[in-house]
Amino acid sequence: AQSVTQPDIHITVSEGASLELRCNYSYGATPYLFWYVQSPGQGLQLLLKYFSGDTLVQGIKGFEAEFKRSQSSFNLRKPSVHWSDAAEYFCAVEGYSTLTFGKGTMLLVSP
Amino acid sequence: NAGVTQTPKFQVLKTGQSMTLQCAQDMNHNSMYWYRQDPGMGLRLIYYSASEGTTDKGEVPNGYNVSRLNKREFSLRLESAAPSQTSVYFCASSEAGGEDGYTFGSGTRLTVV
Repeated sequence: AQSVTQPDIHITVSEGASLELRCNYSYGATPYLFWYVQSPGQGLQLLLKYFSGDTLVQGIKGFEAEFKRSQSSFNLRKPSVHWSDAAEYFCAVEGYSTLTFGKGTMLLVSP
Repeated sequence: NAGVTQTPKFQVLKTGQSMTLQCAQDMNHNSMYWYRQDPGMGLRLIYYSASEGTTDKGEVPNGYNVSRLNKREFSLRLESAAPSQTSVYFCASSEAGGEDGYTFGSGTRLTVV
């Protein structure tokens, strides 16, 4: 079965600073990978996805992620964080007809 | 608006009561899913339906049953609610294969006392 690890439970970033959220996955074949964002009390919104081709993928709200097969990683990045980016972020891998999530990283943005 | 609709949004049950969470999607997706979200645990799959007429267990199926009523609707039933089932429940749908990602409903917050 597939699995996802998000090593950081919480991350605090100053507004305007760059951001990188880590994600490692385990899956036997070429994975479909996703990042979702969840604001408090809300559902999940898809930020971006990777399933083939260019290993650097662009998403909504200025986010990007890089797929590195050799490291089994799919890290999320943003060059300059805005206060509205404060939320919980989930990495997920699709395999065997289901989507498996990591436990999430809570992003706090300081003034 | 197109998407996944869940009802109810909030529910309080007493231990031992039963209830059904409803989910409907209008995107003509083949696959539907039920997840539960607990603090620090991420989202865990309860049951899924890869296509109309089929259902399969996910990671945490105990205490739940599901029905794929038709292509649009996928319900989750708690026959005898327990405090351990206090959680936020999300329904989702996707095209077969899932490469476009899953679309999630806004969730049902269930408290069992």
